Amino acid sequence: DIQMTQSPSSLSASVGDRVTITCRASQGINNYLAWFQQKPGKAPKSLIYAAFSLQGAVPSRFSGSGSGTDFTLTISSLQPEDFATYYCQQYYDYPFTFGPGTRVDIK
Amino acid sequence: EVQLVESGGGLVQPGGSLRLSCAASGFTFSNHYMDWVRQAPGKGLEWVGRIRNKANSYTTEYAASVRGRFTVSRDDSKNSLFLQMNSLKTEDTAVYYCARSTTLVTPYYSDFWGLGTLVTVSS
Repeated sequence: DIQMTQSPSSLSASVGDRVTITCRASQGINNYLAWFQQKPGKAPKSLIYAAFSLQGAVPSRFSGSGSGTDFTLTISSLQPEDFATYYCQQYYDYPFTFGPGTRVDIK
Repeated sequence: EVQLVESGGGLVQPGGSLRLSCAASGFTFSNHYMDWVRQAPGKGLEWVGRIRNKANSYTTEYAASVRGRFTVSRDDSKNSLFLQMNSLKTEDTAVYYCARSTTLVTPYYSDFWGLGTLVTVSS
């Protein structure tokens, strides 16, 4: 199975901050990497697919980058509604696997 | 409006069985691959399984942790997805989400999720 890791596991930030979350795959996944946002008690929401393509209606302050095994989710200017947990997922090979998540909370 | 509504969760004893359902609306259900993903209390997301569409013979994929115990199926005439769970273990306790896979780009990823249903396996 492809193992996914994320760093940091949590971070504290202020509104307006630039936030970067890193995701690493244990082998190359051909950019078949998705990012999801989950708020407490809610279903995950798709943000980015294919490493850098923004899901429809997702604000442009979210962006994805990377290739091969190393990927990044960036929030250019953190907004109050962005405090949540973020997960990466590879869909290159079965079984699909998620990273352990990065919790973003208010400083 | 796309909607996915899971049901069928509840309390079950270890070794027991449960069948989850997911009612889909707002899109052409029969065209889409569908996934089940679960989340144990306070933990991260774990992909459970997938069923492809009719054009791909309704074939399935499973996580190793559930293979042989869980079965994903669908009824396109009723816009419904199912997860039959047998030989349940305490570690299967989780919120179970159904998720739609996009048809816009390949490979297909999950672009919309239901609200989930809680399964508790305990004696």
